[in-house]
Amino acid sequence: GAGVSQSPRYKVAKRGQDVALRCDPISGHVSLFWYQQALGQGPEFLTYFQNEAQLDKSGLPSDRFFAERPEGSVSTLKIQRTQQEDSAVYLCASSFSAGVGKNIQYFGAGTRLSVL
Amino acid sequence: GDSVTQMEGPVTLSEEAFLTINCTYTATGYPSLFWYVQYPGEGLQLLLKATKADDKGSNKGFEATYRKETTSFHLEKGSVQVSDSAVYFCALPGGGTSYGKLTFGQGTILTVHP
Repeated sequence: GAGVSQSPRYKVAKRGQDVALRCDPISGHVSLFWYQQALGQGPEFLTYFQNEAQLDKSGLPSDRFFAERPEGSVSTLKIQRTQQEDSAVYLCASSFSAGVGKNIQYFGAGTRLSVL
Repeated sequence: GDSVTQMEGPVTLSEEAFLTINCTYTATGYPSLFWYVQYPGEGLQLLLKATKADDKGSNKGFEATYRKETTSFHLEKGSVQVSDSAVYFCALPGGGTSYGKLTFGQGTILTVHP
């Protein structure tokens, strides 16, 4: 597609429910990032994929968070047993290649998760 | 570790006013520096970038100069428009990685009135 697509745009979950957030990166982009943006804050790194390999998951806040990119394209961020503190906007970004300073990251519009 | 500090907002200006949004950073080495903009209901978009010291990034009338001496990358525009109302984020890639995960400032909300 023309840009990074995320779905759903909005998700309301009851506490304890599992959720799955989808990201369709720009076709051909090798790198894929997930960020979490709390209200009034800048995005914070969650995890990074290079093709299908998850090379860095150091930003995932707990073992309830899980991400995958099985075929090196679409990625899913799954949150199990959601808690109120998980409420945030989840942003996906992709870039053509990897490399500090070389990779321009293109962002999706995000999924706003509200946990009641 | 790497960090980015932006001036606190929000910033409210009248159309055609001069804009400065301050950004300072802490990083190992001399990374590239970015400004991203987030318009209401949209994703983050790269506004401009600078890849080395003394570089000036520019786009849509916005400018920012990479100042190694002061570890700063302040965003400026000489005459803002209502359409510039958005949230602006300063960011740097790296965070100790080779693939350039981004570290963002907290964002500055800009509102421009007619």
